[in-house]
Amino acid sequence: DAGVIQSPRHEVTEMGQEVTLRCKPISGHNSLFWYRQTMMRGLELLIYFNNNVPIDDSGMPEDRFSAKMPNASFSTLKIQPSEPRDSAVYFCASSSPGLAGTEQFFGPGTRLTVL
Amino acid sequence: AQSVTQPDIHITVSEGASLELRCNYSYGATPYLFWYVQSPGQGLQLLLKYFSGDTLVQGIKGFEAEFKRSQSSFNLRKPSVHWSDAAEYFCAVGDGDYKLSFGAGTTVTVRA
Repeated sequence: DAGVIQSPRHEVTEMGQEVTLRCKPISGHNSLFWYRQTMMRGLELLIYFNNNVPIDDSGMPEDRFSAKMPNASFSTLKIQPSEPRDSAVYFCASSSPGLAGTEQFFGPGTRLTVL
Repeated sequence: AQSVTQPDIHITVSEGASLELRCNYSYGATPYLFWYVQSPGQGLQLLLKYFSGDTLVQGIKGFEAEFKRSQSSFNLRKPSVHWSDAAEYFCAVGDGDYKLSFGAGTTVTVRA
């Protein structure tokens, strides 16, 4: 299994631009998570999908952030417009219903820099 | 709500020495506990997990952790550290549904 795949691995953009991060979960996993990691706030859950449906988006910072999961093998996290304070590493993780206790498998992350 | 405290921000250990990373959790019910490791520029990799049963849990890369309910702790140990163990380590507690709460992490530096 290839694991959770994220693209791009690095993204540098200018303030005000739209940014789209992509994630392919592990095949057969029906739960998908987007996290943000910063020095100040650590790892924060942004949004959780189950069977392609957003279940908990309470961690999405503001309306500039949106996430979609059009099918079981693909999800996007979009920031529009981007701001310098959005600079962080964004992780996607997936989980299977057969795994007890919410064991999650993480992708390599996308390092976003907004200038 | 659950929470995790990792008291040590940074630990330096000599190669071949033992390592112990502390983790204290707060959760009202039976916790699901995890240790993840993050190497520079990489994602998080699961080292080990505890759900129930034997309180001493073995993981990958020679790591083990012990669950102590009376102390609300889940400390990670390794008897002999290798240079490749230099990384950031995260303790996490799950609610048994989907939420994981992570600690702030402990950075481990290994000196030759």
